[in-house]
Amino acid sequence: EVKLLESGGGLVQPGQSLRLSCAASGFTFSDHGMSWVRQAPGKGLEWVSAILGGGGSTHHASSLEGRFTISRDNSKNTLYLQMDNLRPEDTGVYFCARCSGRSCLWSWFDPWGQGTLVTVSS
Amino acid sequence: QSALTQPASVSGSPGQSITISCTGTTSDIGNYNYVSWYQQHPGKAPKLLLYDVTKRPSGVSIRFSGSKSGNTASLTISGLQAEDEADYYCSSYTGSSLWVFGGGTKLTVV
Repeated sequence: EVKLLESGGGLVQPGQSLRLSCAASGFTFSDHGMSWVRQAPGKGLEWVSAILGGGGSTHHASSLEGRFTISRDNSKNTLYLQMDNLRPEDTGVYFCARCSGRSCLWSWFDPWGQGTLVTVSS
Repeated sequence: QSALTQPASVSGSPGQSITISCTGTTSDIGNYNYVSWYQQHPGKAPKLLLYDVTKRPSGVSIRFSGSKSGNTASLTISGLQAEDEADYYCSSYTGSSLWVFGGGTKLTVV
């Protein structure tokens, strides 16, 4: 069974950093691109970042203004999201999701993890 | 990249059919057949319902179907059931901006 389990969320103050992790199991991790998608409280979904199955090639939503970095460790079957200079508007649940192929281009997201809550507040 | 436009809410009775629209632009839905739909129950993770506009993953009921015309994609749910009550999101590949989601539609089965 394919499983994705996020961790690392919590309460931080504006300007601080946080690193999220997503542990994958049940499939060959390096064969799939991976993405992060977030959801502000009571709001819709917003795509955040994506990374190629082999790592190296990454994409981020332009709205992030370079504050977030996606990475992966295929030896540990783990996806990461480094979030710097956090703002209150970054508050929400962060989901990791598997892309259908090695690249997330032209892909879909399936499955999704259960999400981890990030709260940015002073 | 602006979010795709979905109706905020739709409703239907058990056994009926409903359609949720998802309107984008020539930069996303109108230019690519990479539209997917997701179902999200409260407090749960989104679940893939359709991909590439019309394709159903294994395990998804045939009651869910998709279509596209111009810049608008649609999700139709036939034979509504109580468990279909959830939020539904469309998504489209956009090229340079990669992925954009709709604002979500809350389906109420009355």
